[in-house]
Amino acid sequence: EAGVTQFPSHSVIEKGQTVTLRCDPISGHDNLYWYRRVMGKEIKFLLHFVKESKQDESGMPNNRFLAERTGGTYSTLKVQPAELEDSGVYFCASSQLAGTDTQYFGPGTRLTVL
Amino acid sequence: QKEVEQDPGPLSVPEGAIVSLNCTYSNSAFQYFMWYRQYSRKGPELLMYTYSSGNKEDGRFTAQVDKSSKYISLFIRDSQPSDSATYLCAMSDGSNYQLIWGAGTKLIIKP
Repeated sequence: EAGVTQFPSHSVIEKGQTVTLRCDPISGHDNLYWYRRVMGKEIKFLLHFVKESKQDESGMPNNRFLAERTGGTYSTLKVQPAELEDSGVYFCASSQLAGTDTQYFGPGTRLTVL
Repeated sequence: QKEVEQDPGPLSVPEGAIVSLNCTYSNSAFQYFMWYRQYSRKGPELLMYTYSSGNKEDGRFTAQVDKSSKYISLFIRDSQPSDSATYLCAMSDGSNYQLIWGAGTKLIIKP
C-alpha cells in the first residue's frame, strides 16, 4: 500500500511569489490534514478535510493560505503571496476514520522563502 | 506557556541502554497520547498510542501516561543505533482532530 506522498519535496521561492504544495493521501482515506513546522517550533495543525469539505481550518495562519481538495482525493495548499515567515516544513497526513484514528504522515515539503 | 513541553535534547546514550523520553502538558482535557518517531527528511511515524492513563508495551517500547501529574513517558529498552531519530509526543482531547505536539527530542544511540 502506497503511503502519503507530497510534492515537491523542497521549494525555494522569493518573497511575494506563489507556491502550491500537493498531497496525495493513502487511497481510501477520507480524512486529510495539513500541518506545518516552522524552524525551532512545534508542529502545528493547519486544517482538516473530510473528503472534499473543510472540517476545521482553525489553524490556517491567514488568508494568504488556500487549501483545496477537489473530488476528495489529492489536496493542494497554495501560499500567495509568500512571506519570509512561511518558511518551514509542511506535512500532510491522512486517516481512514476521523477522530482519534491513526494519522499517517507524508515526508513533508520543505518551503524556503527568501 | 506551551501546552506541551518536551526537552529537545539531543540525548546521547550508548547502544543497549534504556532510554527515557518525556513530555509534560498543561491541558487536563487531553485523553489521547501518541509518540511519533521521525527520521531525518521523513515524516513522523506513529510508534505508540495510549488512551487515558496507564502503560502500553510493544516490543522494546513502553509508553506510560500519568494524567494526575500530566506527564507521559516513552521507554526504549535495548536501544539500537537504528533508534536514533527525533521522538515527538502528540496529544488530543478527542473533541476535534487536531494533534497538539511537543517540540521533539533528538535521540542519538552510539554504537
